[in-house]
Amino acid sequence: NAGVTQTPKFRILKIGQSMTLQCTQDMNHNYMYWYRQDPGMGLKLIYYSVGAGITDKGEVPNGYNVSRSTTEDFPLRLELAAPSQTSVYFCASSYGGKVTGELFFGEGSRLTVL
Amino acid sequence: QQPVQSPQAVILREGEDAVINCSSSKALYSVHWYRQKHGEAPVFLMILLKGGEQKGHEKISASFNEKKQQSSLYLTASQLSYSGTYFCGTGGRPSNTGKLIFGQGTTLQVKP
Repeated sequence: NAGVTQTPKFRILKIGQSMTLQCTQDMNHNYMYWYRQDPGMGLKLIYYSVGAGITDKGEVPNGYNVSRSTTEDFPLRLELAAPSQTSVYFCASSYGGKVTGELFFGEGSRLTVL
Repeated sequence: QQPVQSPQAVILREGEDAVINCSSSKALYSVHWYRQKHGEAPVFLMILLKGGEQKGHEKISASFNEKKQQSSLYLTASQLSYSGTYFCGTGGRPSNTGKLIFGQGTTLQVKP
């Protein structure tokens, strides 16, 4: 099992450019998440999804969009990149139910906006 | 609402004990604990559910006090490998199932 796979691992963007961070999981988890982590800081929830076709905003959704058309994939779209979006982005997944289960994290995508 | 962790940082010698606290202003249904090494992704330690459950993981255990809306992580006889940043993640009532908000983290450094 590959677990949670994120691509790309590193990316440099210019201000105003757009891009999509890809995330896929092969554990048949129905819950998926996107977090961002600024240097020396904690994890901030951007968006999450409890199943295909269902997404919801987290703490810091502005400037981002997501979609969940399949159980496996949960891409994160950055529109009009800004320096404030320079961060490490983690995708995670978990089994879902009455209680959120253990989160399995991808290796992270390091994004720099110049 | 982001949970608040304390202390922000701890420095220990090998073999010493530490306690990390996690408090929320909202009612809690579950608490997760994760450890993150520098440059790596967070790694799951344990989940606690409402009801004051206490779980253990090797020499790391935790408690969950639903009334006080807080959880504590206990690290006993710390080892060098325990160094890293510890995060608690909190989930609200079942209606908020899925949403997991993390605290700001507690950095633990274990010295020989």
